[in-house]
Amino acid sequence: DSGVTQTPKHLITATGQRVTLRCSPRSGDLSVYWYQQSLDQGLQFLIQYYNGEERAKGNILERFSAQQFPDLHSELNLSSLELGDSALYFCASSVDSSRGDNEQFFGPGTRLTVL
Amino acid sequence: AQKVTQAQTEISVVEKEDVTLDCVYETRDTTYYLFWYKQPPSGELVFLIRRNSFDEQNEISGRYSWNFQKSTSSFNFTITASQVVDSAVYFCALSEPVRNTGKLIFGQGTTLQVKP
Repeated sequence: DSGVTQTPKHLITATGQRVTLRCSPRSGDLSVYWYQQSLDQGLQFLIQYYNGEERAKGNILERFSAQQFPDLHSELNLSSLELGDSALYFCASSVDSSRGDNEQFFGPGTRLTVL
Repeated sequence: AQKVTQAQTEISVVEKEDVTLDCVYETRDTTYYLFWYKQPPSGELVFLIRRNSFDEQNEISGRYSWNFQKSTSSFNFTITASQVVDSAVYFCALSEPVRNTGKLIFGQGTTLQVKP
């Protein structure tokens, strides 16, 4: 158990819908990262927050957004869902953000299926 | 551009064989960090090791060992006397702190199947 929690574990929805994925980092970790894992794209970095502020953006679609709240939990919002958004979404946390040597601990992931 | 290449898509071995997973990376930065993660069939990503760019000392942890060579931009992972429980997808990843972010750039992963 990494100490990172993600809810829900599975999510099935229809095209055009909007969903919210939730992540609670390990106790004491200030940085939260979101990654998407799909068969064709592999593991891709989406976005990073550090202590409530956005720190880095990857290949995140405009239909996707995220935020980190004062209690440090984070939410990833996916809207106008398309079939291609079906993937495993991971949240990871680390102590710091500016130092790349902090290992990231991953949550169990949320498997999103868009029908 | 930063890139991580794991050329071996799938490897199949028989239990007790040694196996090496290759990882080649590209970066223009002088300071960077390399990682290996394991993704067992259950799906979670498990951290295995971190290596700094300025520390080329090889590391051994039980049946696992890692060989870091800056000259060839490689960070290979060897499992000695493989076991069925080692069956998983293994990811090599690169992190560059100079951009004030620890985001990970992953390779495509190598699926290791260890047969009894």
